[in-house]
Amino acid sequence: DVKVTQSSRYLVKRTGEKVFLECVQDMDHENMFWYRQDPGLGLRLIYFSYDVKMKEKGDIPEGYSVSREKKERFSLILESASTNQTSMYLCASSSQGAREKLFFGSGTQLSVL
Amino acid sequence: QQQVKQSPQSLIVQKGGISIINCAYENTAFDYFPWYQQFPGKGPALLIAIRPDVSEKKEGRFTISFNKSAKQFSLHIMDSQPGDSATYFCAPTGGGYNKLIFGAGTRLAVHP
Repeated sequence: DVKVTQSSRYLVKRTGEKVFLECVQDMDHENMFWYRQDPGLGLRLIYFSYDVKMKEKGDIPEGYSVSREKKERFSLILESASTNQTSMYLCASSSQGAREKLFFGSGTQLSVL
Repeated sequence: QQQVKQSPQSLIVQKGGISIINCAYENTAFDYFPWYQQFPGKGPALLIAIRPDVSEKKEGRFTISFNKSAKQFSLHIMDSQPGDSATYFCAPTGGGYNKLIFGAGTRLAVHP
């Protein structure tokens, strides 16, 4: 069974902390994505990657960065967490041949106090 | 920013009834029209999708209806069950646009 695993289900951090959200997929997918989900706003794309060491900005990249050193792992970094980054963060992956068919992890609920 | 408008925001249906969720889009170049289903505590999962070469696709109790001229597509859930209670997202894409554009979501509650 295909799997996208996010390292933490819940995370509580303080304003100004550097936060790392980790995502690992076991499907050998080329494409990986980070979304944030907020009530009434749907899913908004933060960053995505089509290959190792490659990244592209999504719709809301400000305040975030990413790292993809290995094909199976895609990390989201909040350089200096702020309260407006309190949200549900979802990682997803897809294959190059079916890039529009996303497989999602279960999400990380991040609270920044 | 491409616009995708999903309605209604929330929906309550009695068991056995029909649930209908609509999605309107602007980009006429879109060529892939999926619906994702999300249960509480889980990430979204692809439920059903359609390409514009057909006007309707049915998978079990779930049907997508596609209206190209109106730039709309809909999800119909026949004989709705309490287990269908979830949040549903449309997420059209295509035409060189390299990412899915998610609607705001519809929270469906099916009452027994």
